[in-house]
Amino acid sequence: QVQLVESGGGVVQPGRSLRLSCAASGFSFSYYGMHWVRQAPGKGLEWVSLMSSDGNNRYYADSVKGRFTISRDNSRNTLYLEMNSLRADDTAVYYCAKDGYCSGANCYPNHFHSWGQGTLVTVSS
Amino acid sequence: QSALTQPASVSGSPGQSITISCTGTSSDVGGYNYVSWYQQHPGKAPKLMIYDVSDRPSGVSNRFSGSKSGNTASLTISGLQAEDEADYYCSSYTSSSTRVFGGGTKLTVL
Repeated sequence: QVQLVESGGGVVQPGRSLRLSCAASGFSFSYYGMHWVRQAPGKGLEWVSLMSSDGNNRYYADSVKGRFTISRDNSRNTLYLEMNSLRADDTAVYYCAKDGYCSGANCYPNHFHSWGQGTLVTVSS
Repeated sequence: QSALTQPASVSGSPGQSITISCTGTSSDVGGYNYVSWYQQHPGKAPKLMIYDVSDRPSGVSNRFSGSKSGNTASLTISGLQAEDEADYYCSSYTSSSTRVFGGGTKLTVL
């Protein structure tokens, strides 16, 4: 079955950097777009970034554009999020999520089909 | 990238039906049939309940259904059960190829 395991969270000072990882298993990782979604404490879900299956297209929320970089290594079945110039309002649980699913020859994209358990990032001095 | 609009809370008694609305614009909800809904219990990761406006993933109860009219999508839960008490979020594909969530709705089963 699909498994997504995030890691790399922790406490970091404002202005510093952090890299999150998401290890994927149980599906053909290189076939799927992958997302990062975050949730600040007590708040709702916020979409952060998407990387296409082949790595050629990346999209970002305005709130992180220019500071965060999404990447993937299809040979390692791993998704990354490099977070720079971190601010207090970046404090959140960060989830990775698989975009859609395929069944036989049919694919159904553009939704968050499977989610990891999340990793907590706390930005504080 | 404005968030989609959901009611902050809804409630219903066991066995009743409730509907949660999700309002966007023609650049997201109204422009594409890529609206999805997620259930989240406290301390847990979200779970996909509805995708492509009205399709249910395997394993999701048929008590959950989705629809859309214009710029507003809706999630209906029939035959409310205590285990349905959770936060619910809608999401949509956008014209910029990004994604957007609603603010979330807290469902209370009375």
